[in-house]
Amino acid sequence: GENVGLHLPTLSVQEGDNSIINCAYSNSASDYFIWYKQESGKGPQFIIDIRSNMDKRQGQRVTVLLNKTVKHLSLQIAATQPGDSAVYFCAENMVGGDTGRRALTFGSGTRLQVQP
Amino acid sequence: ETGVTQSPTHLIKTRGQQVTLRCSSQSGHNTVSWYQQALGQGPQFIFQYYREEENGRGNFPPRFSGLQFPNYSSELNVNALELDDSALYLCASSYPGLGFDEQFFGPGTRLTVL
Repeated sequence: GENVGLHLPTLSVQEGDNSIINCAYSNSASDYFIWYKQESGKGPQFIIDIRSNMDKRQGQRVTVLLNKTVKHLSLQIAATQPGDSAVYFCAENMVGGDTGRRALTFGSGTRLQVQP
Repeated sequence: ETGVTQSPTHLIKTRGQQVTLRCSSQSGHNTVSWYQQALGQGPQFIFQYYREEENGRGNFPPRFSGLQFPNYSSELNVNALELDDSALYLCASSYPGLGFDEQFFGPGTRLTVL
């Protein structure tokens, strides 16, 4: 399978604990933010998104917090499970260029390891 | 599963060769974006195709080119392969109808250049 994230920062948590993964984004004009999960051998999988007019959004077991003042994004995972082990990327999205296309700019990623 | 498929899964080429990677978008999605993911890094935007036209490009040289077909499937072509082109190539499909563009990724093609 694909060995994603050989040199990424790693967060190790115990099963059942809460996890917090942080991300600093680069462009103050970005208006849409997404967290992706990437397991070995797979493409990024959408977890949760948030628009720039919000500062918090909750999903099932996941919460995203957005602080536009310091350009910071965090992903909180409640009751972390072994299946949550993966590399997590934040991505920022904005309308760009002359064509109005929207493309994602990804952060460098964090590996989450869940200890049983 | 996102419904986005890519072929081949793995590919080995030598420097100077050319390669074509293929992507079938999720049903109903008219936009395909291609990304390059080097080992240990996040995906980097290559370009996007919308209704068969290139709709923006990232910081990649012209030897990276693409096509989109009437059924919205897409190809990524890379000429004159270099060792640094070794990476996972991801395509993502989307339907930018609501102003915010959720992109659904395929599993990727792992390209190794020797």
